[in-house]
Amino acid sequence: EDQVTQSPEALRLQEGESSSLNCSYTVSGLRGLFWYRQDPGKGPEFLFTLYSAGEEKEKERLKATLTKKESFLHITAPKPEDSATYLCAVSRSNDYKLSFGAGTTVTVRA
Amino acid sequence: ETGVTQTPRHLVMGMTNKKSLKCEQHLGHNAMYWYKQSAKKPLELMFVYNFKEQTENNSVPSRFSPECPNSSHLFLHLHTLQPEDSALYLCASSQQSTAQETQYFGPGTRLLVL
Repeated sequence: EDQVTQSPEALRLQEGESSSLNCSYTVSGLRGLFWYRQDPGKGPEFLFTLYSAGEEKEKERLKATLTKKESFLHITAPKPEDSATYLCAVSRSNDYKLSFGAGTTVTVRA
Repeated sequence: ETGVTQTPRHLVMGMTNKKSLKCEQHLGHNAMYWYKQSAKKPLELMFVYNFKEQTENNSVPSRFSPECPNSSHLFLHLHTLQPEDSALYLCASSQQSTAQETQYFGPGTRLLVL
């Protein structure tokens, strides 16, 4: 059975204090790893898709990387508007279903 | 309207009520999904429709009944729910239901069952 574990569960940062979120996964035949951002009371907002180990993608202060066992979401010099829950999900070959982690809730204080 | 929309945004219902959730996607996608999100738990896939055909029913109780009249609209009919069904119900869509396709989510319906 596919497993997706995100750590830490919660992260409190000072504005400008860079940090990383971890998503470790156990899946046979990874097809894609997806990162979403979710604000309270709203639906997940798509951030990145990574398809193969070594791949990296960036968007503003966020950078996602992928290895064969885990993915990291790096937040560089975060701002209060980066406060949200970040969700990781994986899909495997020949199966459209996404397996989600429980998320990391990031709070950035000014 | 753009993206994926859901109505209502909030719903309170008694255990004997019947209600429906509506989802509409404006992305030209062919696959639509219903998810349940409970506090501190990962998203749970409930149903999948691909080109209007149901391709997944993830062991969901029969008190939840989906309907997909066309590729742009998805409904979730609710009846005789239980308090443990209280959650955020999310609709998503993708171009097709394949492993590499990105799913785009709506804002969700916050459901409270009394």
